[in-house]
Formats: sequence, structure tokens, C-alpha cells
Amino acid sequence: QSALTQPPSASGSPGQSVTISCTGTSSDVSGYEYVSWYQQHPGKAPKLIIYEVTKRPSGVPDRFSASKSGNTASLTVSGLQAEDEADYYCSSYAGSNTYVFGTGTKVTVL
Amino acid sequence: QEQLQESGPGLVKPSQTLSLTCTVSGGSISSNSYHWSYWSWLRQHPGQGLEWIGYIHNSGSASYNPSLMSRVTMSVDTSKNQFSLNLNSVTAADTAVYYCATLRWENYFENWGQGTLVTVSS
Repeated sequence: QSALTQPPSASGSPGQSVTISCTGTSSDVSGYEYVSWYQQHPGKAPKLIIYEVTKRPSGVPDRFSASKSGNTASLTVSGLQAEDEADYYCSSYAGSNTYVFGTGTKVTVL
Repeated sequence: QEQLQESGPGLVKPSQTLSLTCTVSGGSISSNSYHWSYWSWLRQHPGQGLEWIGYIHNSGSASYNPSLMSRVTMSVDTSKNQFSLNLNSVTAADTAVYYCATLRWENYFENWGQGTLVTVSS
């Protein structure tokens, strides 16, 4: 069970969009429709922002959207705002009642 | 929605057992509302990513990360609205912030505790 692969960093100017990839295998990302994404500000607990690949919990701005194609899931943050600067993690169900997380991506708002 | 709060020693000696408790407030964990929820533990090594440790259900059924399975035990105490983590034979590599979280049936971690730092050191 290996961690899902994410780019270490991504950046964009306010108002721009940034997309983060999350690459796994047929045993996790492409095998199930259970990819979720979490936002984590420094010193804080992670916060769920996407579940079941594309769904947003109540209260999460629609600037956050996500998709999946094959072994890679993606999170897009549109209309970047200063408050979006954080670490982002993907997660996937990996079969046999186990879960795996991504390596994490630090998003910087320039 | 429920709130979760971790508690336990912040310092554990090598080779000993790390024991943490998560107290759930805002609802009884034994209610039908949580029949499709699973009580989970995760951790984050300093400056690193998240790692799922395992989960336990009110029924007592559990699932653990294969990499930690030999050292992990989880339990739930519905009378106290708490669930617990025991990790034995700890080393410095187990130093991390430990989180408890609610795992929903649809396989996502919805609510998280604030996390607690556990340092393994003599």
C-alpha cells in the first residue's frame, strides 16, 4: 500500500486557477469512486473539501471542484484567494477496508 | 455534527505503549445515527503527510493499516462516548500528531479532532 503521488507544490496568483493531481493505481484511485480531498492550514486539522470524487460538502465554496480519469484524480481551485493557501491531500479507498493518502501539495497564493 | 477531541500522554518512552482516547460530543455514538460511521485514527509525522492507522465500528469490527497491524489495537466504549487507540512497542518513528476522525460509509473522513502531538523519547 503506497502513498498516492501528488506534486509537492503548486501556485497561482489571486483570481487564477490551480490544479493538483493525485496519481494512484488500479488498486485505489481507478478501482473505486471513493476519492476525497482535504485542506489543511498550518497547525490545524485537515478539513474535508471533496468526497466521492466530485462532491462538495455543505459550506465548501464551489471554487473547489474535482474529477478523476484513470489512475489520476485532480482538484481544481478556481478564483484563488489568499485563504486557499494551505496543504492539500487526496485520499482513496484502497480495498479490503483500507485507505491511502496522497503525499500532499502545498498551494501558494502569489 | 459531532465534535471529536483527542486526549492522552504527550510523551511516551520507547518500547512502551502509546494510548490515546477520542471523546465524541454532540451525539451518542451508540445511536442509529452512527450505524454507518466508523471511528478512525490517523497520524501525521512532523512536516509530512497523513497516514491512516485504522478504524473501529460500534459493533467492535475493526480494520487496521497493514503496516501497523501487528502493533495496533482499537476499542470503543459507547457508555463513555469514547474510542481508543493503543500502539505498542513504539519507537521514535511513531512521533507524530495523532488525529481521531469520523469515517463515513461513503469512505471519507468527515469530522476531525484538533490532533494531539505524541513524542516518543526516553
